[in-house]
Amino acid sequence: QSVLTQPPSASGAPGQRVTISCSGSSSNIRSNDVCWYQHLPGTAPKLLIHNNHQRPSGVPDRFSGSKSGTSASLAISGLRSEDEADYYCAAWDDSLRSRVFGGGTKLTVL
Amino acid sequence: EVQLVDSGGGLVRPGESLRLSCAASGFTFSIYSMNWVRQAPGKGLEWLSYISRDSNYRYYADSAKGRFTISRDNARNSLYLQVSSLRAEDTAVYFCARDEGELARLSGMDVWGQGTSVIVSS
Repeated sequence: QSVLTQPPSASGAPGQRVTISCSGSSSNIRSNDVCWYQHLPGTAPKLLIHNNHQRPSGVPDRFSGSKSGTSASLAISGLRSEDEADYYCAAWDDSLRSRVFGGGTKLTVL
Repeated sequence: EVQLVDSGGGLVRPGESLRLSCAASGFTFSIYSMNWVRQAPGKGLEWLSYISRDSNYRYYADSAKGRFTISRDNARNSLYLQVSSLRAEDTAVYFCARDEGELARLSGMDVWGQGTSVIVSS
């Protein structure tokens, strides 16, 4: 059982907007910044969002992140087939003194 | 080119030890904190350990405490993970990853190795 809770799956049609949630607690999401990663099987994970809503250079602005209280969200607009991947949220946990991942959300583009 | 190359994985028997390595190039390794992350077959990403740029701070996931030791050699631009008393549940792809910020609580992991596979089986 992951410290951060994500839905196991999400889906949307090409061009649509999809949102993936990440629920935590006061010791992780409320106190620290949230990151989001995209992971395709057999490849290295890719940082999509850091510091709750910042996009690294090269990440399209179709990807956006937000945080409120003990929850965070990743939104993907203008869905494309190449967005089909696993998405993970992550944050530092002050109580555990460790970084924690969500269980991951498998995004299917219909 | 900024790059991390993982190595050292393989097929090992339960109870054996292994040292994983991560070679950095294309950036000033000594000013970045580093991590190890793994993914077991059919499972999600699991963060294992963090080491600050000067090795003064090291943190471990509960699953890694006691058997895993993270270390680095800034002169050799290399990161290591020593894993002892390997178990079947340690079977996974192991990735090294760079922290993009100065503080772990505010940072993401922005550069990743390609991963090295560890299979623990008798």
